[in-house]
Amino acid sequence: GAVVSQHPSRVICKSGTSVKIECRSLDFQATTMFWYRQFPKQSLMLMATSNEGSKATYEQGVEKDKFLINHASLTLSTLTVTSAHPEDSSFYICSARVPGRENTEAFFGQGTRLTVV
Amino acid sequence: EDQVTQSPEALRLQEGESSSLNCSYTVSGLRGLFWYRQDPGKGPEFLFTLYSAGEEKEKERLKATLTKKESFLHITAPKPEDSATYLCAVQAYSGGGADGLTFGKGTHLIIQP
Repeated sequence: GAVVSQHPSRVICKSGTSVKIECRSLDFQATTMFWYRQFPKQSLMLMATSNEGSKATYEQGVEKDKFLINHASLTLSTLTVTSAHPEDSSFYICSARVPGRENTEAFFGQGTRLTVV
Repeated sequence: EDQVTQSPEALRLQEGESSSLNCSYTVSGLRGLFWYRQDPGKGPEFLFTLYSAGEEKEKERLKATLTKKESFLHITAPKPEDSATYLCAVQAYSGGGADGLTFGKGTHLIIQP
């Protein structure tokens, strides 16, 4: 299957600072990537759809000014958590599909565990 | 609104004891139903995609089936390495292109030696 790489796998930051998470498609070009958040024992919740060369589409209830998404190239999307607070602590996961196969499986990154102290 | 409900939340089996996990869904138009395996602290690993009622897919000790309202993941003679959280997700038709997935909360499966 296709490979999606996410970095870093773990990050601890102080309250009020910003954190950037990278998601890369290693062996294919992804015009669309997805960002999810997962709380303990909860399901993955779609936060936003990242579109290469255009603005991201955010799900209802997700603050676009807090979770900045940039998809500047066909292989890289970044999620920046701005002015992080302890309630932003969570597991963030990105995914992508191989272009032309939009109704097939999405491939997920390894996830990033964010802890805000 | 698309909804996915998985049951049971947790399941503990003895090695070799077969069982089934359930995924009930409501979706405006099903584009695909996906099963993933997730190990602690990792991203989901793809297992199966099902597109239409009656479809079945198998991989080693796992078999996924689909009806118009639910999907089952059957585990035959499981081994301890099958211990993980199994996630079910649906993708609906929205009229657009690529769409995100709606996930259930998962079934936490433990296989005891």
